[in-house]
Amino acid sequence: QKEVEQNSGPLSVPEGAIASLNCTYSDRGSQSFFWYRQYSGKSPELIMFIYSNGDKEDGRFTAQLNKASQYVSLLIRDSQPSDSATYLCAVRNSSASKIIFGSGTRLSIRP
Amino acid sequence: GAVVSQHPSRVICKSGTSVKIECRSLDFQATTMFWYRQFPKQSLMLMATSNEGSKATYEQGVEKDKFLINHASLTLSTLTVTSAHPEDSSFYICSATDRSYEKLFFGSGTQLSVL
Repeated sequence: QKEVEQNSGPLSVPEGAIASLNCTYSDRGSQSFFWYRQYSGKSPELIMFIYSNGDKEDGRFTAQLNKASQYVSLLIRDSQPSDSATYLCAVRNSSASKIIFGSGTRLSIRP
Repeated sequence: GAVVSQHPSRVICKSGTSVKIECRSLDFQATTMFWYRQFPKQSLMLMATSNEGSKATYEQGVEKDKFLINHASLTLSTLTVTSAHPEDSSFYICSATDRSYEKLFFGSGTQLSVL
């Protein structure tokens, strides 16, 4: 089992709709959870981070964390073509020594 | 947000040469830096973790004698790809975090092409 798992996609969503990206992790003691966006040929940029169970909202983005289910998600409201990218889920492990990345979900917003 | 500067952004070199990549934290003390490589359309692969003043910890399968990492100060880490070969061609990215370990910030990446 991979430590951080994501559906590779591609996930195709119409412009203006909600895009939902999911991530599961295996280390139950994981402490911090991050979502990064990566455009082709560029390095990842941090979108959101979440530490506590529940929802965290920032503009059009909402991160949701459920530690009991070992599940973290990212919702993008009012999707725009510029949101088309690969979204990487990252998890800081229980020993806090590493931040481990999932393989990423490719999101495509169709006009 | 915090800034991590990575240079050079692109390197083309001949097989057998060594290439040094620099990663600098510009506005915070980077107690821990990470080096990743990424092949086209694949995920980030962690190569090594370096703590300031300590030897780097390499991931399984990464040759420490080939990928030399130095983290001598709180603002600078370097990755040297020694005796580069075409199979080392990849996108190399550094990232850094401070003592709080709350967030991870990435450099802009280095595209290495070995001819």
